Amino acid sequence: NAGVTQTPKFQVLKTGQSMTLQCAQDMNHEYMSWYRQDPGMGLRLIHYSVGAGITDQGEVPNGYNVSRSTTEDFPLRLLSAAPSQTSVYFCASSSVWGSYEQYFGPGTRLTVT
Amino acid sequence: DQQVKQNSPSLSVQEGRISILNCDYTNSMFDYFLWYKKYPAEGPTFLISISSIKDKNEDGRFTVFLNKSAKHLSLHIVPSQPGDSAVYFCAATTQGNNDMRFGAGTRLTVKP
Repeated sequence: NAGVTQTPKFQVLKTGQSMTLQCAQDMNHEYMSWYRQDPGMGLRLIHYSVGAGITDQGEVPNGYNVSRSTTEDFPLRLLSAAPSQTSVYFCASSSVWGSYEQYFGPGTRLTVT
Repeated sequence: DQQVKQNSPSLSVQEGRISILNCDYTNSMFDYFLWYKKYPAEGPTFLISISSIKDKNEDGRFTVFLNKSAKHLSLHIVPSQPGDSAVYFCAATTQGNNDMRFGAGTRLTVKP
């Protein structure tokens, strides 16, 4: 099992550009989520999904879109990047029932200039 | 509004001694708590969790204590090892809710 994979590892964008951060998991987990990590802020939940076709907003959703067409994939889209979106982004997955233990991907470091 | 707080950004301990990492929360609806460990350039990995129906959970060298009245939990690592050097995140959620809140993390350094 590869677990949770994220691409790309690093990305530099100019203000106003768009891009999609990819996330995939091979554990057949129902729950997937996106977090951003900023210094002194810990991890903050952006969006999450409890299954294909179902998404919802987390703590900091503005500026980001998500969709969940399959169980395996949960891409995060930045439609018009802003310097405030410079951060490290983590995707995570878990089984909906039982333990709340989440499995995290290795992260994508995004810089918006 | 940070509902989960880790007030110590860093902690340094000697190998073999006890490491105590602290976490406070403000939301009384939280009833499930987790600790994650993070090495540089990697994603966080789950370490240990505790439900609010317990006040202690142990897993090898790691023990988490929960004091509900004080809205405080702590992670004890005994004995500490250099490989434990990492950033530790405390997280909290309400069972049945999909919103998990994390603290800012504490960087633990274990010196040989």
